[in-house]
Amino acid sequence: RKEVEQDPGPFNVPEGATVAFNCTYSNSASQSFFWYRQDCRKEPKLLMSVYSSGNEDGRFTAQLNRASQYISLLIRDSKLSDSATYLCVVNILGNTPLVFGKGTRLSVIA
Amino acid sequence: DAGVTQSPTHLIKTRGQQVTLRCSPKSGHDTVSWYQQALGQGPQFIFQYYEEEERQRGNFPDRFSGHQFPNYSSELNVNALLLGDSALYLCASSKRTGWSTEAFFGQGTRLTVV
Repeated sequence: RKEVEQDPGPFNVPEGATVAFNCTYSNSASQSFFWYRQDCRKEPKLLMSVYSSGNEDGRFTAQLNRASQYISLLIRDSKLSDSATYLCVVNILGNTPLVFGKGTRLSVIA
Repeated sequence: DAGVTQSPTHLIKTRGQQVTLRCSPKSGHDTVSWYQQALGQGPQFIFQYYEEEERQRGNFPDRFSGHQFPNYSSELNVNALLLGDSALYLCASSKRTGWSTEAFFGQGTRLTVV
C-alpha cells in the first residue's frame, strides 16, 4: 500500500464548479498535512496546510480526519487559473521528509 | 530575498555518465532535501542534508550521493546514469526545527538521459 494515495485524475470541470479531492495516508504517526499545487513543468508550491479543525482560505477548504487517515481539499467556484496538479503531502515530524501522493490533475474548462 | 535556486535548469546526459546538480537554499534556511519526480508521479525523497551531513535517505541506490557546504548550499551527484534517472530533480530548503515548517522548492533541474 502506498504511503499517500490520491484520487486518480484527471478532473475536467467547467468554470464555477465545485471540485473535491480526496487523499488517504497509511502512517498513523503522521503529524503534518499539506496540499501543494504544481503547475505544468514547475516546482510544487504550498497551497495550504491542513489542520484537524479544518481550515479555509478563500475558495479553498481543507479537512483532516485523523481517525480515518483521510484528507480532503474542496475548491469552490473554480477558475481557469486553478488548472494544475494538486499534491497531497504528509510529514511525520518537522525534520522528516515530506511524503507526496502521486497528484491529481485538475483542468478547469471555460 | 532570493528563494531556492537550482542549476542548471535543463541537462541532457548519456547513459553511464555522471552528473552534478546544484542548489542554493532560501536565505535563513539550513536544511536541504532532494527529491526526484518522474513524469506523472509525485516527488520521491532522495536524501536530506543538515550541518554538512546526510541525515536521512530515501530508497535510492548509492549511485546517488550528495554534499552540503558550509554556506548551506548543496550538490546532488548521480553516477553511472541510467535511462530511468530521467526526471525533474527538486531541491527543497527549510529551517530545521522540531516542528513542521514550510519547505520551499527550487524550480528544479530537468535531467534527460539518452
